[in-house]
Amino acid sequence: EVQVVESGGGLIQPGGSLRLSCAASGFSVSTNYMTWVRQAPGKWLEWVSVLYARGNTAYADTVKGRFTISRDIFKNTVYLQMSSLRVEDTAIYYCARGVGSPPGADFWGEGTLVTVSS
Amino acid sequence: DIRMTQSPPSVSASAGDTVTITCRASQPISTWLAWYQQKPGKAPKLLIYGASSLQSGVPSRFSGSASGTEFTLTISSLQPEDFATYYCQQGDIFPWTFGQGTRVEIK
Repeated sequence: EVQVVESGGGLIQPGGSLRLSCAASGFSVSTNYMTWVRQAPGKWLEWVSVLYARGNTAYADTVKGRFTISRDIFKNTVYLQMSSLRVEDTAIYYCARGVGSPPGADFWGEGTLVTVSS
Repeated sequence: DIRMTQSPPSVSASAGDTVTITCRASQPISTWLAWYQQKPGKAPKLLIYGASSLQSGVPSRFSGSASGTEFTLTISSLQPEDFATYYCQQGDIFPWTFGQGTRVEIK
C-alpha cells in the first residue's frame, strides 16, 4: 500500500531551524518525484519544493535559499530542512508523491503543522 | 512567476447540478496542469492531471479541458461528497503555482 507520512513539525521561534521528514512506503522515493506543499491557516495551497528522481530540485521563491529538499534512499524518506524560519512560514506542510506529468501528485500525507512564533 | 487565476472564488449549487470552474494562466503552460479537491482538515486529492486526464479512481463526472491558457474543471451531476474547495496548479515553469481555490457550497 502506498503511503507517505510526515513528521517533524512543531513550534519554533523566528530565525530557528526545523527538519521535516516524509517517510514513504509502497514505492521508492528514488523513482518518483516528491513534492512539498504548504497551507497557512485559512489560506490556499502554496507549492514549496520538488525533488526529481534524478536528484534535481526546485523551490518557491519564498523559501529559496532557506529550505533544502533531500532524500535518503535507504530510509525511503524525503526531508525538508528549513532554516531562518519566519512567522509567515507557519503552515501545515504536506508531502506528496508525484505521478505522471507534473505537477500531479497522487498520494499525500496528512501533513505536519509548523508554527513559527516567539 | 505564472499567475493562476481561478474563477469563481465560490459557487453555490445543488446536488445534481453541473458546476464549471475556470483557471486562467498568465502565460502559456501547455497542458502541465492539475486539479485537486480539498475538504476541510484533509489533504488535497488529485482529480485531473495533464489538464484532461482523469486520475485513477476518480468518478467520471469530473472532467478537465484546456483551450490556450484557459483550463476548465467540470463536475457533472454534483454529488453531496463533491462539496469542497478545488484548486488548479501549473507545473510547466518553476515556481509551480496554485490558483487561489474555488469553494463549491451547498445552495
